[in-house]
Amino acid sequence: GAVVSQHPSRVICKSGTSVKIECRSLDFQATTMFWYRQFPKQSLMLMATSNEGSKATYEQGVEKDKFLINHASLTLSTLTVTSAHPEDSSFYICSVPGQGLTGELFFGEGSRLTVL
Amino acid sequence: KQEVTQIPAALSVPEGENLVLNCSFTDSAIYNLQWFRQDPGKGLTSLLLIQSSQREQTSGRLNASLDKSSGRSTLYIAASQPGDSATYLCAVGGGADGLTFGKGTHLIIQP
Repeated sequence: GAVVSQHPSRVICKSGTSVKIECRSLDFQATTMFWYRQFPKQSLMLMATSNEGSKATYEQGVEKDKFLINHASLTLSTLTVTSAHPEDSSFYICSVPGQGLTGELFFGEGSRLTVL
Repeated sequence: KQEVTQIPAALSVPEGENLVLNCSFTDSAIYNLQWFRQDPGKGLTSLLLIQSSQREQTSGRLNASLDKSSGRSTLYIAASQPGDSATYLCAVGGGADGLTFGKGTHLIIQP
């Protein structure tokens, strides 16, 4: 079964609105979660590392005030795209590290955001 | 900064052929390497994970090798089937540092 649940899978919104995407770790607690973005025909790019109980760590070039990350519990991280614009339209996908020693990462099904 | 390159970018072959997808990375200090499959508009399906101390992993018709010193990995697909058509992504890193992805190989298996 799924290890990571992401919701919503698809969202269409008007320009200027905010959209929240949830990422839930179903099988284990996660002090860290990763948020990726994928533009059409491009690879996944790490946006930020979500840290439970503390501030997220953003990759260079990712606007902190635009992509708000909250990791309030050990099983839930949220990404809020604030004042969304058409250029924010993308596929957003979260990832959770497994608990084993392999360092394996488990991915959600992704969220397709379309900003009109 | 880690960079991951996948060759070829696209590949189209008849059903039944054996094929090899290539992945190279610039920084050999990795925790592990993962191969994923991504269908259009979908999330990622993990295929194989090779830890940094390992040389290869096998799952069914898939075999992945890792040469960490040279920064290379290959994914071998035996007896390809139309259902194997997808984009295959190579990613390195793992653990607390997340993963760095290549751009993928878009594979089409012709019936």
